[in-house]
This record gives sequence, C-alpha cells and structure tokens, in this order.
Amino acid sequence: SQKIEQNSEALNIQEGKTATLTCNYTNYSPAYLQWYRQDPGRGPVFLLLIRENEKEKRKERLKVTFDTTLKQSLFHITASQPADSATYLCALDGDSGNTPLVFGKGTRLSVIA
Amino acid sequence: GAVVSQHPSRVICKSGTSVKIECRSLDFQATTMFWYRQFPKQSLMLMATSNEGSKATYEQGVEKDKFLINHASLTLSTLTVTSAHPEDSSFYICSARDKRGGLNEQFFGPGTRLTVL
Repeated sequence: SQKIEQNSEALNIQEGKTATLTCNYTNYSPAYLQWYRQDPGRGPVFLLLIRENEKEKRKERLKVTFDTTLKQSLFHITASQPADSATYLCALDGDSGNTPLVFGKGTRLSVIA
Repeated sequence: GAVVSQHPSRVICKSGTSVKIECRSLDFQATTMFWYRQFPKQSLMLMATSNEGSKATYEQGVEKDKFLINHASLTLSTLTVTSAHPEDSSFYICSARDKRGGLNEQFFGPGTRLTVL
C-alpha cells in the first residue's frame, strides 16, 4: 500500500537557520508532490507544488526538491522566523484529474527566537 | 488563490443528532470536492470524494449511510453526520481543486470542529 513518511514528528531550530523537512514515499509514482502549512485548528494552506519532471522549485524563502529515484522530497525554509512555526504536510498527487491528495502525518516545526 | 469556506466553524451537539457541514468554493467552480477528517496530531484522512451531480465515492471504512455527502452545485458540497456519537468528534475539512490556468492546486476550507457530547 502507499506510504508517506515525514522524517520527524517535530523539529526545533534557531531563528535565522535553515529548516529542512523530509518526505519519503513508497509504492507510489506521483505526478506531483505538494507541500502545505497547517496552523492549529485551521485547514492546510497550499505552499508549493513540484512536478515529477522538476528537480527544484523556489518561492521566496521556500525551496522544494523532488527526487523520483530516491522517492524523496526535501522542503527548506531559509532564514527561518518564529512566524514559520507550524505543521508542514507533504502530499502526493496521482495526476491532473480528480484523484485526491494523500497526506503525510506532518512535521511540527518550532522556530525559536 | 482560490477561497474555500466552511460553515459552521465549530459545532457542539448531543449524541444521536445529525449535523450538516457546508463547503463552498467562493470564486471558482469545483466539479470535485474532497472531505477529510483529522484527529489530534494525526494526518488528514480522506473520507470521500464528492462529485457534482453524482454519488460520492467513499474511502474504505467510511460508512456512506452515516456520512451523507451531497454535491448539488459546482460551488457547494455538504457533509451530514447522521446520528452522531462521541467517537465522531473530530476536525472535518473540505477541499476543492482549482484547475484554472492549468494548475492543480487543492484549496482547503478552514475546517469544522465537531464535538459530540
């Protein structure tokens, strides 16, 4: 069965450092991989989407890589700020049709001032 | 980005009652919406896929007679939890895809916190 693992349940880093979150998957060949941010008591908010033929994508302080050979995505937040503290979810997407996203359990990031 | 709303944001009900949750796409049409459930410190678990004008597709283990889904229009899907019990207490989140511009982003509602006493 499909399995998505986000390497750690919680990650604490110092303000200004780069946070790196990992998402690994098995038994799946996603066309897209997406990253979301979720704050307590809120729905997830879309951050970035990367396609299977893309190696890297950037958006402001965010960077996502996608290695379909390793079946892994890395999510980086550079110059992290306390406001970046949240749970980050990776999600796999089958195709451009109507298949639902499959989510990992998320990594709770805490940026300490 | 596209906006998805949910109503109510929070509901407390007695065991045995039914609760309806609405999900609306505010500035785009969504032929497909998804309903998720999330327990504390857990991931989002897909309950069903809601297709406009047709029956919903439920995930394994989700009782279709207990969780009634209606997708009456391109901007509205409803989830009704029938005869709710305390174990149904959870955070329910809907989402919809916005395919404009060739994107495949999925936008989520703010969620509905259901507490069954």
